[in-house]
Amino acid sequence: QVQLVESGGGAVQPGRSLRLSCAASGFTFSAYGMHWVRQAPGKGLEWVAVILNDGSKRLYADSVKGRFIISRDNSKKTLYLQMNSLRTEDTAVYYCAKDRYSTSLEYFDSWGQGTLVTVSS
Amino acid sequence: EIVMTQSPVTLSVSPGERATLSCRASQTVSSKLAWYQQKPGQAPRLLIYGASTRAIGIPARFSGSGSGTEFTLTISSLQSEDSAVYYCQQYNNWPPWTFGQGTKVEIK
Repeated sequence: QVQLVESGGGAVQPGRSLRLSCAASGFTFSAYGMHWVRQAPGKGLEWVAVILNDGSKRLYADSVKGRFIISRDNSKKTLYLQMNSLRTEDTAVYYCAKDRYSTSLEYFDSWGQGTLVTVSS
Repeated sequence: EIVMTQSPVTLSVSPGERATLSCRASQTVSSKLAWYQQKPGQAPRLLIYGASTRAIGIPARFSGSGSGTEFTLTISSLQSEDSAVYYCQQYNNWPPWTFGQGTKVEIK
């Protein structure tokens, strides 16, 4: 079955960088768009970024545009989120999520367990 | 950006009773509306897509309805394991994909 496993979270000071990874298995990774979604402590869900199956298109939330970079390595079945210039408001659990379809971007049918990023001085 | 608004914030329902959750979009999303369930310490799980289609493995007591700007998630006979936060999400107009703020369902 589909499995998504995030890693790379941790505590970091404001202004520093962190790279998250999401290892995928149980499906044809190269066929699907992949998203990052975050959840601040005690808060709701916020979509962060998406990348098409072939990496040809990347979209970002305004809150992270210019600071975060989403990428993927289809040969390694791994999704990444490079987070630069981190702010305290980026503190959240970060989930990777698989898009439902291979030919378009719609909703998220599988989620990882998440990795916690804490930005604090 | 489409704003999704859920009500109520918290819903307390007795076991076996019906729970009705609402979600409103600031502009039409057609039927491109999904519902997710999130239990404490867990990742969200897809319940409903296309406003009314249950995802694989979701019990029949969960049903969705609506189109345009008004949507409803109904749990016909609440079970103890249904205690969770429920989020609606639109995927008609992106980016961004937007979620409601969530409705917490408690067992009375």
